[in-house]
Amino acid sequence: SQELEQSPQSLIVQEGKNLTINCTSSKTLYGLYWYKQKYGEGLIFLMMLQKGGEEKSHEKITAKLDEKKQQSSLHITASQPSHAGIYLCGAGLLPYSGGGADGLTFGKGTHLIIQP
Amino acid sequence: GAVVSQHPSRVICKSGTSVKIECRSLDFQATTMFWYRQFPKQSLMLMATSNEGSKATYEQGVEKDKFLINHASLTLSTLTVTSAHPEDSSFYICSAHISGGGSEQYFGPGTRLTVT
Repeated sequence: SQELEQSPQSLIVQEGKNLTINCTSSKTLYGLYWYKQKYGEGLIFLMMLQKGGEEKSHEKITAKLDEKKQQSSLHITASQPSHAGIYLCGAGLLPYSGGGADGLTFGKGTHLIIQP
Repeated sequence: GAVVSQHPSRVICKSGTSVKIECRSLDFQATTMFWYRQFPKQSLMLMATSNEGSKATYEQGVEKDKFLINHASLTLSTLTVTSAHPEDSSFYICSAHISGGGSEQYFGPGTRLTVT
């Protein structure tokens, strides 16, 4: 079963409009990452959230992690063509032990298309 | 800071041959590195955890004799795909965890492997 569910799978938004992408798990998320990827290219780090209720913003993108640390949302305000791409959420499903790190589990991604 | 590079970015090899992919942390030391694989229109799947100076830990279903991982220094991990077959064609991405740092991981740009 998919441990990280992203919704929607794809999204077509008119330029200038706002949008939200969700990432949900039935398990507690330890270190929730949001990345952007253009097909066949590497991942561009957007934001990382760790604490329940945490919210971070960068330019027109805001990411939130709910208090239970089981759901995160990525909100883009006044979308632009440069926002188009695949958005991936990734998370650790084990508490950070402090010694090393664990590999991330990723959602299937949300394909965002911006219409002019 | 926290830049991870991969080499090569693209490689085409013939079926039956082996190919090596390098993952380097350019400005930090990484005790732990991770290798992920991404098939077209699929999410990233963790293949293995690479630990400097010790054997890699492989995820279930990943053949350790086929995907050889060497993490000989704190800045370099290599993934060798042995006896490659067309079904090994994929996008391989590494990430690195800063030694002594928090739980953040930094991703490389990926390597596109095509096996003919």
